[in-house]
Amino acid sequence: SQELEQSPQSLIVQEGKNLTINCTSSKTLYGLYWYKQKYGEGLIFLMMLQKGGEEKSHEKITAKLDEKKQQSSLHITASQPSHAGIYLCGMTGGTSYGKLTFGQGTILTVHP
Amino acid sequence: DTEVTQTPKHLVMGMTNKKSLKCEQHMGHRAMYWYKQKAKKPPELMFVYSYEKLSINESVPSRFSPECPNSSLLNLHLHALQPEDSALYLCASSQVGQGARRGYTFGSGTRLTVV
Repeated sequence: SQELEQSPQSLIVQEGKNLTINCTSSKTLYGLYWYKQKYGEGLIFLMMLQKGGEEKSHEKITAKLDEKKQQSSLHITASQPSHAGIYLCGMTGGTSYGKLTFGQGTILTVHP
Repeated sequence: DTEVTQTPKHLVMGMTNKKSLKCEQHMGHRAMYWYKQKAKKPPELMFVYSYEKLSINESVPSRFSPECPNSSLLNLHLHALQPEDSALYLCASSQVGQGARRGYTFGSGTRLTVV
């Protein structure tokens, strides 16, 4: 079974709309990473959350970590076509580096 | 320099060929990684090098042979691959310990096709 579950698996929105992607872990979270990937390309680091209640922003993208629920949410405000891509959440185990494993990804399409 | 550079970008090889994928970073990171990504799937970890020593091997078949000749370079040697090994191969690097919270930096990948 998947250690990290992302929802929804795919999302189609109109430009300007807000959206949220969720990532839930079945194990204790020591670090939660968000990446964006264009099809067939490398991963772009968005942000990393480590502490419960932590919230970070990168341009119009905000991510929060709920440590008790072992869950993170990624929120995009006023989406643009440039936000389209695959969003991946990732987690590490008890060590500070090493095995970074990913959720199955959320495919975001933004229609102009 | 905040990039991880992978070469080649595309590679087509026969099942009897020997080829190598290369990865280079100049960010002073001491941990380097190889990931394999099949279409419509997330990246899956293959190998981790820490201070130029292999620290994690995720039970990868021996036809994949990693090498870390120095702190900036990571190679993946390929031999006798199968068509199902066709995938996007991603290299990544990070600092070790608390520095890893700054994130893992990924290269743009090598698209491998085995014919």
